[in-house]
Amino acid sequence: GAGVSQSPSNKVTEKGKDVELRCDPISGHTALYWYRQSLGQGLEFLIYFQGNSAPDKSGLPSDRFSAERTGGSVSTLTIQRTQQEDSAVYLCASSFSGGGGGWETQYFGPGTRLLVL
Amino acid sequence: ELKVEQNPLFLSMQEGKNYTIYCNYSTTSDRLYWYRQDPGKSLESLFVLLSNGAVKQEGRLMASLDTKARLSTLHITAAVHDLSATYFCAVDTSGTYKYIFGTGTRLKVLA
Repeated sequence: GAGVSQSPSNKVTEKGKDVELRCDPISGHTALYWYRQSLGQGLEFLIYFQGNSAPDKSGLPSDRFSAERTGGSVSTLTIQRTQQEDSAVYLCASSFSGGGGGWETQYFGPGTRLLVL
Repeated sequence: ELKVEQNPLFLSMQEGKNYTIYCNYSTTSDRLYWYRQDPGKSLESLFVLLSNGAVKQEGRLMASLDTKARLSTLHITAAVHDLSATYFCAVDTSGTYKYIFGTGTRLKVLA
């Protein structure tokens, strides 16, 4: 079946503009995660959705970042008033459940490469 | 705060040689994951280690977990060029879903 898809694959924007990044998880996966990967760095957890529960936003770096997940499927990560330090690859992942023991493998999308000029 | 450290950060090795990548973490966890990332690509799951003493092997890669030492190793046997990539370990704290990733080990296998 199809894997996790993300769009756009690349985004160049000007400082101060808003951007929206989209993630389509694997069908049937109830858990969805957003991460940020800066150049040459590891992955930084941003936010987690599990089904229709309230998301865990504890990893969002500032109030300029927000995310929603509609109908328990597609998710959008929005960055308002972008700054140059927001430039990174934004990765989305999904897993079958993610709750309880949380041991299920996370499957990653190809990422969106964001460049803020 | 859970911290995950990998070493080495960079590794250049000749084809045919063996080497080990280390992943240390700072708090109790029974679950550790290894991922591979090719340049410009996303992460691919390699191994899921779910208990102390777990050992998994796939081709030239073998991963093990020692939860008492809070250490996982990824051993490379007789390296080939196709193994060139960045390898990440990740840990989730018991009972949660948050992965904390190591900084990655960038492996280059020279022909």
